Amino acid sequence: EVVLTQSPGTLSLSPGERVTLSCRASQSVSGNYLAWYQQKPGQTPRLLIYGASNRATGIPDRFSGSGSGTDFTLTISRLEPGDFAVYYCQQYGSSPLTFGQGTKVEIK
Amino acid sequence: QVHLVQSGAEVKKPGSSVKVSCKASGGSFRSYAISWLRQAPGHGLEWVGGITPIFRKPNYAQKFQGRITITADESTSTAYMELSSLRSEDTAVYYCARGDSDIVASLFDYWGQGTLVTVSS
Repeated sequence: EVVLTQSPGTLSLSPGERVTLSCRASQSVSGNYLAWYQQKPGQTPRLLIYGASNRATGIPDRFSGSGSGTDFTLTISRLEPGDFAVYYCQQYGSSPLTFGQGTKVEIK
Repeated sequence: QVHLVQSGAEVKKPGSSVKVSCKASGGSFRSYAISWLRQAPGHGLEWVGGITPIFRKPNYAQKFQGRITITADESTSTAYMELSSLRSEDTAVYYCARGDSDIVASLFDYWGQGTLVTVSS
């Protein structure tokens, strides 16, 4: 099983700031099949990035993903008020599908 | 546009079973994998298992083997998840989610609204 570890656990930031979230895998993610999701309180997760670096339909370009192998990053170039949420990474290169524990981005 | 609509909240006794449904509309039901995931209160996401209706063969997370049954009914475009021998740790919101291909190991681009299953004596 591929274990995904996200860091940090919580980030306290202000609107307009740049955010970098990390997702590290216990072994190489096959095909770099790594996705990122955003989840707001009481809502279902929303797909942001797939294939490590491809934005999903309708996702603004301030969200970007990068990385390969075992180290992946989600960057939000300028935080907007609606971006304060929990972010999860997920690998879908091998079964069982696994998620990181999440990073909470909160308002400072 | 794809929509996944799940059945309502359930309260179950320890040791019993629960069956949650997920009805799909829009798109092709039979050719895309449907997975079930869960999220315990205040916790992260956990994949339970999935199925591609056209292939009918489910794929389960090892943790749930022996307790989980996932099926799909093409005639009604509905997927089902049944979890047995329930314990308090199974209390969670259960989501169905559609994959982006016929492979169960996939990303999830459409999600159901979630079904809260509470296990309590």
